[in-house]
Amino acid sequence: DQQVKQNSPSLSVQEGRISILNCDYTNSMFDYFLWYKKYPAEGPTFLISISSIKDKNEDGRFTVFLNKSAKHLSLHIVPSQPGDSAVYFCAAKGGGGSNYKLTFGKGTLLTVNP
Amino acid sequence: NAGVTQTPKFQVLKTGQSMTLQCAQDMNHEYMSWYRQDPGMGLRLIHYSVGAGITDQGEVPNGYNVSRSTTEDFPLRLLSAAPSQTSVYFCASRQGAWETQYFGPGTRLLVL
Repeated sequence: DQQVKQNSPSLSVQEGRISILNCDYTNSMFDYFLWYKKYPAEGPTFLISISSIKDKNEDGRFTVFLNKSAKHLSLHIVPSQPGDSAVYFCAAKGGGGSNYKLTFGKGTLLTVNP
Repeated sequence: NAGVTQTPKFQVLKTGQSMTLQCAQDMNHEYMSWYRQDPGMGLRLIHYSVGAGITDQGEVPNGYNVSRSTTEDFPLRLLSAAPSQTSVYFCASRQGAWETQYFGPGTRLLVL
């Protein structure tokens, strides 16, 4: 039972355009969401987060939107740069289980073409 | 500043062998975790620790043991390796807020 879903395994965009990565979840008790970025042969690095009491969080080129009624969040990258090419993981905390655990999606490979 | 270090980077085991994956952090973080990542899958939590001497199971703990005798170190032991344990293993540490979670570079394990 996959509680955090990233239904697009890959996404390709042109440099300078917007990248939109999507994430859906099924557990309404998740109370915190994070996005991680991962380059090959490296560990994931934290990118941006959002609490379930907010609907938007912005950090430079990165914005995360949360739609609780739809159980959907999205990461917007504007403008996209070639260095943004990586795998992006959506993760959720809470969900009625341990507060020490994150539930991860399968990831979306973003390729930004020059 | 080393952050989170993992050794070895790559290991090949035969079925039934045991080994320990090492993880160390120099940030004095309370919380440490072990995850595994399989192809086409997200990261799954194996075990975690909320401080020295305190460990607990995650989603997929079977076949693995952990201990936390010091704040810095959190080794993961495979008791009797199985091909299903072929994966990339990531250690992570944080101090409170999830935004402070740092991952190590990973250990790629192949069990034949």
